[in-house]
Amino acid sequence: DSGVTQTPKHLITATGQRVTLRCSPRSGDLSVYWYQQSLDQGLQFLIQYYNGEERAKGNILERFSAQQFPDLHSELNLSSLELGDSALYFCASSAYGGDHYEQYFGPGTRLTVT
Amino acid sequence: AQRVTQPEKLLSVFKGAPVELKCNYSYSGSPELFWYVQYSRQRLQLLLRHISRESIKGFTADLNKGETSFHLKKPFAQEEDSAMYYCALSVGTQGGSEKLVFGKGTKLTVNP
Repeated sequence: DSGVTQTPKHLITATGQRVTLRCSPRSGDLSVYWYQQSLDQGLQFLIQYYNGEERAKGNILERFSAQQFPDLHSELNLSSLELGDSALYFCASSAYGGDHYEQYFGPGTRLTVT
Repeated sequence: AQRVTQPEKLLSVFKGAPVELKCNYSYSGSPELFWYVQYSRQRLQLLLRHISRESIKGFTADLNKGETSFHLKKPFAQEEDSAMYYCALSVGTQGGSEKLVFGKGTKLTVNP
């Protein structure tokens, strides 16, 4: 168990809908990262927050947004959902390992868009 | 541009045989590389980091800057090693942070 938690575990919704995925980082970790894992694209970095502020952006669609709250948990909002958004969404938090950062992943949220 | 290449999508070996999962990277900076393992689409688990030069579950990986490679090796594969293996490169971002760039992964199957 990495200490990173994600809810819900599974989510099934219809096209055009909006969903919110939640992540709680490990105790003491200030950074939260979101990744999307799909069969065709593999694992892709979406966005990173550090202590409440957006720090880096990857291949995140405009229909997607995220935020990190004062208690450091983060939410990823996906709107106007399309079939292609079906994927496993991972959250990770990072800790400094002495001279580099190590990322620890949550169990993921499996999103199915029908 | 930063890129991680895992040339083998699938790799199948017999129990007790040596296994090598290949990883090549492209990065202009000083590379920090990791191997992650994922069992049955569960969470990604950090297996190895190049900087610590450790051996976990019998796996080792050596960074070869000349060949820009970070291959994962195990001398005697076990059935429980069957999983997806991802090589990842940590790259700096404009915000002064780091993100992971992953390869496409190699699915290792160890047959009895």
